Amino acid sequence: AQKVTQAQTEISVVEKEDVTLDCVYETRDTTYYLFWYKQPPSGELVFLIRRNSFDEQNEISGRYSWNFQKSTSSFNFTITASQVVDSAVYFCALTFTDKLSFGAGTTVTVRA
Amino acid sequence: EADIYQTPRYLVIGTGKKITLECSQTMGHDKMYWYQQDPGMELHLIHYSYGVNSTEKGDLSSESTVSRIRTEHFPLTLESARPSHTSQYLCASSALGGGNTEAFFGQGTRLTVV
Repeated sequence: AQKVTQAQTEISVVEKEDVTLDCVYETRDTTYYLFWYKQPPSGELVFLIRRNSFDEQNEISGRYSWNFQKSTSSFNFTITASQVVDSAVYFCALTFTDKLSFGAGTTVTVRA
Repeated sequence: EADIYQTPRYLVIGTGKKITLECSQTMGHDKMYWYQQDPGMELHLIHYSYGVNSTEKGDLSSESTVSRIRTEHFPLTLESARPSHTSQYLCASSALGGGNTEAFFGQGTRLTVV
C-alpha cells in the first residue's frame, strides 16, 4: 500500500519569506514517481514538479526547489521569496502505475 | 494550459435525486480519474479509466458509477443522492505512461445534498 503524509496542516508567512513543505511517503515499490501539486482557491490542481525514484538529484526551477531523499522517504518542496499569489493548498503525491495517492495537503498563506 | 472541464461547478440537490457530474477533456488522454475531496482532506480516488469501455473502482468505496463511451467524456452518476455524498468531486486525465505523466485536473464540482 502507498501512503503520503504531510505533517504540516497550515503555514503562514510574510511575503518574501521562504516556505518549505514537508512530505514523507511509504511504498513497497522500487519504481515510483513523486509529484507536487498546487490547488489555488479556484479549485483545480495544478502540476508543479515531478521526480522519479531513480533520480535523487535536487533541482531548482525558478522560485521552486525540491529535496528528494530516498533514505528517509522524504520529498520536501521549497518556495523561495514567497508571494501572495503562492497562497494555496499544496499536495504531495505518489504513484507507481497511474494511481496517484495524495497527502492531506498543506495550506500556505502568504501575507503582504 | 489544461483542457479539462467539469460541469456544473456547484450543485445543490435534494436527497434521493439522481445526478450526473460531467467531465470532458480535449487533450486526447486515454486515462481519466475521479477523486473525492472533503474540506481539509486528501484526495481519494473513487474511479478511473484507461480508455473507452474501461472503468475501475478506486481506493475509496463509492456508491457512484462511471462510464467511458467516448475517450473525451467520463461522467459520474449518483442514482440516489444522500447528504453523505456532499463533497467536492475532481476529474483528471493523463496521457499513457508508466506513472510518470502528470495528471491534469478540472476545477471540480462542489456537490451539496440537502
